[in-house]
Formats: sequence, C-alpha cells, structure tokens
Amino acid sequence: EPEVTQTPSHQVTQMGQEVILRCVPISNHLYFYWYRQILGQKVEFLVSFYNNEISEKSEIFDDQFSVERPDGSNFTLKIRSTKLEDSAMYFCASSYSTNTEAFFGQGTRLTVV
Amino acid sequence: QKEVEQDPGPLSVPEGAIVSLNCTYSNSAFQYFMWYRQYSRKGPELLMYTYSSGNKEDGRFTAQVDKSSKYISLFIRDSQPSDSATYLCAANYGGSQGNLIFGKGTKLSVKP
Repeated sequence: EPEVTQTPSHQVTQMGQEVILRCVPISNHLYFYWYRQILGQKVEFLVSFYNNEISEKSEIFDDQFSVERPDGSNFTLKIRSTKLEDSAMYFCASSYSTNTEAFFGQGTRLTVV
Repeated sequence: QKEVEQDPGPLSVPEGAIVSLNCTYSNSAFQYFMWYRQYSRKGPELLMYTYSSGNKEDGRFTAQVDKSSKYISLFIRDSQPSDSATYLCAANYGGSQGNLIFGKGTKLSVKP
C-alpha cells in the first residue's frame, strides 16, 4: 500500500541551526501539506503546497519556514534558524485532490536543544 | 486558538462497549468535519469525513454533526482492543485537506 515516508524519524539540532525535514509523498498525489504537533498540544496546520507554490499557510508559517519540492518525489520543510519552541513532531501529508483523503506520514520528531 | 475543543480523556472502556467521542467548535463557518485515528508513533489516519450536518455510517463507526449546537460526535459500536488509539476531530471551511483545525484528541483504551 502506498504511503508517505518521512526522514529522519528523529532529529536533534542546536538552537539557531537550520534543519531540513524530508518527505516523500504518495507518487500520484498533487497536494502536499505540513502539520506540526507540539508535545501535549493539538496538531496544527503549517502550509499546503500545489503546483510548485504555497496555496495556504498559517500564522505559524513565518519567514523562518520554507517549503520546496526540489524534484519529482521529495517535499521538504526548512526551518532557517531553529528556536527551542520549534521542538515538535512534524507531519507531512499528501492528497490527490483537495477533497480526497490526505495521507499522513509517521512524522519527524524535531528536538531543538 | 480554541476553535475546536475536545476532552483529552483518557477514556477506558471494556471490549464490546459503545464508545462516544465528542467535540465542540466555535466557528459557524466550518463546513467539513473529520475524525482521525492516531496510533502511538504514527501519523493521523482519516476515519470519517462529513459535510455539514447529519450522520454518516461506516461499519462500526458513525459520525454525527449538529451544526445548530456546534457539536461533533463519533460513535464506535462493539469496540475492540484494536480501536485503542487517540481520536482527533478536525474541521475546516472548505473541502481541502489543508488548514484543518484539530481538536486535542481523546485517548481511548479498550480493555479485553
């Protein structure tokens, strides 16, 4: 069964460092999303991406964040200068269209120290 | 942001019980309502997807939306130990899977 894969499963980084979280969406999907979940908190929407551009973003997705689809298979989330409060589980998701199910990856746990 | 509220539990029931999970929401502009199941160390998995008010049934699962009271429910009949997970309700304005507003999740444990 096709699935969304995320790497790494756990990333530890020092405050102020740049991190790139990687995702391989399901191959025929066209819409891509990033969500995050701070420990003990709600899953929060960050950004959606379609046709090589951002289609929606939340207030959380500020200038420190960027997304890219560098090739035909990967979808990345970059955090330019990490802060302690960026520590969270980051989920990538993809869907074929806007009103079909989005499949989530298993997440990358980001720990900023 | 308190647009979708959900009792985090935990909720523990015996196998075979009927489970009722509930959320309330504040934004009357929400049109689409979803229930996700999240097993430990996994991403959320869509269970049910409902547009506007009404009921939707899928096997042992029934989703209900009451827009007049801004209340979302998920019922699980004949609950099984494999149903033990965290259940997340979510809502949004359009049908897109983006910009979902999630509740905090209710942790359910079904005891054999």
